[in-house]
Amino acid sequence: AQSVTQLDSQVPVFEEAPVELRCNYSSSVSVYLFWYVQYPNQGLQLLLKYLSGSTLVKGINGFEAEFNKSQTSFHLRKPSVHISDTAEYFCAVILNNAGNMLTFGGGTRLMVKP
Amino acid sequence: EAGVAQSPRYKIIEKRQSVAFWCNPISGHATLYWYQQILGQGPKLLIQFQNNGVVDDSQLPKDRFSAERLKGVDSTLKIQPAKLEDSAVYLCASSLLAGYEQYFGPGTRLTVT
Repeated sequence: AQSVTQLDSQVPVFEEAPVELRCNYSSSVSVYLFWYVQYPNQGLQLLLKYLSGSTLVKGINGFEAEFNKSQTSFHLRKPSVHISDTAEYFCAVILNNAGNMLTFGGGTRLMVKP
Repeated sequence: EAGVAQSPRYKIIEKRQSVAFWCNPISGHATLYWYQQILGQGPKLLIQFQNNGVVDDSQLPKDRFSAERLKGVDSTLKIQPAKLEDSAVYLCASSLLAGYEQYFGPGTRLTVT
């Protein structure tokens, strides 16, 4: 079975500060990893994904994430956040031998303060 | 390119009533998904269609939930009868094929009173 843990339910941060949203997964087989963002009253939008290759993945809106196989982590980072980054962020995984069933973490609410 | 469309956006019903949600995926997308997102949690897959066939419905509560995609395009998710614990946002997503990026609709927020 696979599971995804987002360790922080809420992350408050001041505008222009750096931020890291943590994600750990449990799986004994290879995985595909994703970060999605959900703005209020909207659906999910893909920020970035790791399928293979370079472990540092760059996404939209200045976000990046690093796949760490030994620590089974896929933390999301941004060097300088904006008010507009306030949203819910979801980490998700797919086992690469199980179709494309996405399993989501519980989400982290990023709250950017002026 | 139009995105995934869902309706209604909001629905309030009493327990034991029935409700239906509609989803129109991105044109040409063969795979369609329905997710349930309970407040404070991540989305959970209910059912996955490939064209008009069901690929995975292992997490669909089949005693009260049903879904169809008869012509392999739009889809309907039904709950009958609804329970209080069904209060959630129901998200529809589509992808070109299984394994490709999923695009999500805005969701339908269901409140069961």
